[in-house]
Amino acid sequence: AQSVSQHNHHVILSEAASLELGCNYSYGGTVNLFWYVQYPGQHLQLLLKYFSGDPLVKGIKGFEAEFIKSKFSFNLRKPSVQWSDTAEYFCAVNAKAAGNKLTFGGGTRVLVKP
Amino acid sequence: GAGVSQSPSNKVTEKGKDVELRCDPISGHTALYWYRQSLGQGLEFLIYFQGNSAPDKSGLPSDRFSAERTGGSVSTLTIQRTQQEDSAVYLCASRKGGAGGFQETQYFGPGTRLLVL
Repeated sequence: AQSVSQHNHHVILSEAASLELGCNYSYGGTVNLFWYVQYPGQHLQLLLKYFSGDPLVKGIKGFEAEFIKSKFSFNLRKPSVQWSDTAEYFCAVNAKAAGNKLTFGGGTRVLVKP
Repeated sequence: GAGVSQSPSNKVTEKGKDVELRCDPISGHTALYWYRQSLGQGLEFLIYFQGNSAPDKSGLPSDRFSAERTGGSVSTLTIQRTQQEDSAVYLCASRKGGAGGFQETQYFGPGTRLLVL
């Protein structure tokens, strides 16, 4: 079975600081990787996704993520956060051989102080 | 281009009662999912519908949970004899359901917040 772990449950940082959220998955086959974000009071929305090709993926709002196959990792980064990046971030994976359902990590709550 | 909609947005019920949660997927999307977001368990897959195929029910936590999808569009998730541990946010998601399904983005609704007293 596939599983996803996010290392940090809570992150607090100041505006303009850099952000990196860790995500590791366990599955030996071909996977697709996603980062979803949930802003306060809003529903889950896609931040970025990786299917194949360039392992460095750029998403919306200045976010990017790097797929490192050898480490089974898909870490999310943003060089300079804003107060509006305060949200909960979820890493997710699906695998063709395991059906099309998403398996989510536990989420990381990010608070950006103005 | 309306997104995925769910109703009700909030539901409070008493232990032992049955509840029905509704999901309207994005028009034209043939694949529909239910997930549950709870404090102790995070985001969990419940059930998946794809066109006319038999649904993947592998995530349903007990036989008190069932779901149907009528006419390939609207879906209803039913929880019978609700228990306090059923309290959670129930999320619906849909995607186009084309040949590249494995790589399609799932679009989520706002969820139904269920509280079982």
